[in-house]
This record gives sequence, C-alpha cells and structure tokens, in this order.
Amino acid sequence: GAGVSQTPSNKVTEKGKYVELRCDPISGHTALYWYRQSLGQGPEFLIYFQGTGAADDSGLPNDRFFAVRPEGSVSTLKIQRTERGDSAVYLCASSSQPFSTDTQYFGPGTRLTVL
Amino acid sequence: SQELEQSPQSLIVQEGKNLTINCTSSKTLYGLYWYKQKYGEGLIFLMMLQKGGEEKSHEKITAKLDEKKQQSSLHITASQPSHAGIYLCGAGYNSGNTPLVFGKGTRLSVIA
Repeated sequence: GAGVSQTPSNKVTEKGKYVELRCDPISGHTALYWYRQSLGQGPEFLIYFQGTGAADDSGLPNDRFFAVRPEGSVSTLKIQRTERGDSAVYLCASSSQPFSTDTQYFGPGTRLTVL
Repeated sequence: SQELEQSPQSLIVQEGKNLTINCTSSKTLYGLYWYKQKYGEGLIFLMMLQKGGEEKSHEKITAKLDEKKQQSSLHITASQPSHAGIYLCGAGYNSGNTPLVFGKGTRLSVIA
C-alpha cells in the first residue's frame, strides 16, 4: 500500500513486560514521527527522526522509551517495563521534505493496553 | 493551559446543517493543519494553512487562517453523516520539519 503502516494494530501486554511497535513510513519519506494519543486527547509528540538519526527526542516521557530507525526507513518504538499508564494509541507519521514544512501523513496506530 | 485550544469539544448537528469548529493558538503559528479521525483509525489529512488570510476548500469543508488572532476555523456546509468523526487541529511553530502540537479535538456527530 501507499500509506503509512503500523504493526501490530493491537497489543495487549502485562505490566512489566517489554513491547516493540513497528512503523513503515511512506516510501521515500525522510522524516518520521512518533506520537501517543490517550483517550479524549490529541496526539502528543514523542520522537522525530530525520533519516536514521533522532532529530528530537524531547517528547519521550522517560528512559523506558526508546526508538530506532537503523536504515532510515522502518522505525521501531520500544517500551521497557511497561506500566498501566503507557496504555494509549501510538501513532506514527511521515513526511517527505526535510527542509520545509510538509504534511505529515499518519498511520492507523497501534493500540497498546497494559494490564 | 493548552497551547492550542479547540472549540467546541463536541458538536451534534442535524444532517444538512452548517457548522464551524475553531482552533486558537497561544503562540505565533507557522503552519496550521486540520485532520479528521474516526474511532480506531489514524488521522486523515484535510488541509494545511500557512499564510494569514489563507482559505482552502475541499468538497464541503472550508478552512481559514486568521493571522492576527492566531486562529483557524473549519466550516462544513450541508453536513452529512460521512462528516462525523473527531476533527483535530495541529500547529507547526517552526519552519522545517517539526513535530506538531495538537488540540484535544472536536467530536462531531451528524444525526438524520
């Protein structure tokens, strides 16, 4: 498909477990963003990649959260020692132009539930 | 307080009626984006506004940017059930690729 894809669509885990969420951006898009959306709220920024490097990780809530994008395409968001408060929809977005404000296109999200 | 305030929080309109959703920023905007979200789905891009006074339309949806007020309005004409969903505005505060700051959204229901 041509859009941003995310897997899994749903993830249920137990408190304390480790999870990985995957994002496949639109082909050729250099910028990739992770956001988190809690119920009744707008998406909140977590981390932004330009190519392979994290250009801004100021939104990561603590050191349990980490993200990588080793080849400048697919990205994985990793959460260690999950807590119930981590339950949310994790959204990924990508955009094409590195040096101009360009539209961010979003994936369908991964709904994470921590029991 | 929120950087980006949306109003109203929710809206119920009868099919065929017009409606307006507002988005006000407490900081100077560089770009303002409107997205629509249905439950359990990602955000669908509607429009992006950048210049003061700019107005864009797509089908029955029109968005405007008032640079003086740092405010954008989204207007839907002759609403249909397909317009139902959550409308989110997102603000870019810098040039270049930049994370967006979102409002809390406006939940729109359209009843027959």
